[in-house]
Amino acid sequence: AQKVTQAQTEISVVEKEDVTLDCVYETRDTTYYLFWYKQPPSGELVFLIRRNSFDEQNEISGRYSWNFQKSTSSFNFTITASQVVDSAVYFCALMHTGGTSYGKLTFGQGTILTVHP
Amino acid sequence: EAQVTQNPRYLITVTGKKLTVTCSQNMNHEYMSWYRQDPGLGLRQIYYSMNVEVTDKGDVPEGYKVSRKEKRNFPLILESPSPNQTSLYFCASSLWSGDSNQPQHFGDGTRLSIL
Repeated sequence: AQKVTQAQTEISVVEKEDVTLDCVYETRDTTYYLFWYKQPPSGELVFLIRRNSFDEQNEISGRYSWNFQKSTSSFNFTITASQVVDSAVYFCALMHTGGTSYGKLTFGQGTILTVHP
Repeated sequence: EAQVTQNPRYLITVTGKKLTVTCSQNMNHEYMSWYRQDPGLGLRQIYYSMNVEVTDKGDVPEGYKVSRKEKRNFPLILESPSPNQTSLYFCASSLWSGDSNQPQHFGDGTRLSIL
């Protein structure tokens, strides 16, 4: 069975601080996808990134960056110079791409990020 | 405009009264999925579909049914709703390809209350 653990339930930072959200996963699959989603206070779900397990290259998108390390089964998300608008719940997720559960998606419990002005 | 549309957005109903939450996407996506979100439990996948006439169980399929007769629609059916199915439900769709950055589009959510 696959599992996604976001050890940080809540994080509180002051604006302009950098913050890293941890995500550790377990899977027996050799191929899989990893995701991050954002859920702001308004409640909608926003897709942030999808990463193929074959691609360990780190990704940067503006103030967001992702560090994928297959050796430690981690896919951490860093927000640089955080802003109040970054306050949200962030979810990490893992998708099977092989076997009988092809396409099944498992989420972590989510990390509540609060950025104070 | 690319979108995933869920209906209804809110519903209060009673135990045992069959209901259907519709989900429609206009992006010709192969992959569609339903999730429920509960406090303290995060998001859990109910059912997913890789393409027309192909559906599979997620982590919490009990008490739900789905169908995928057309590519654009993926309704969630509660044949005999119970109070433990009170939750916030999201539908999502995406292309199914090797491109890492294919986004997944979500509906706005449906808040169901089963009394």
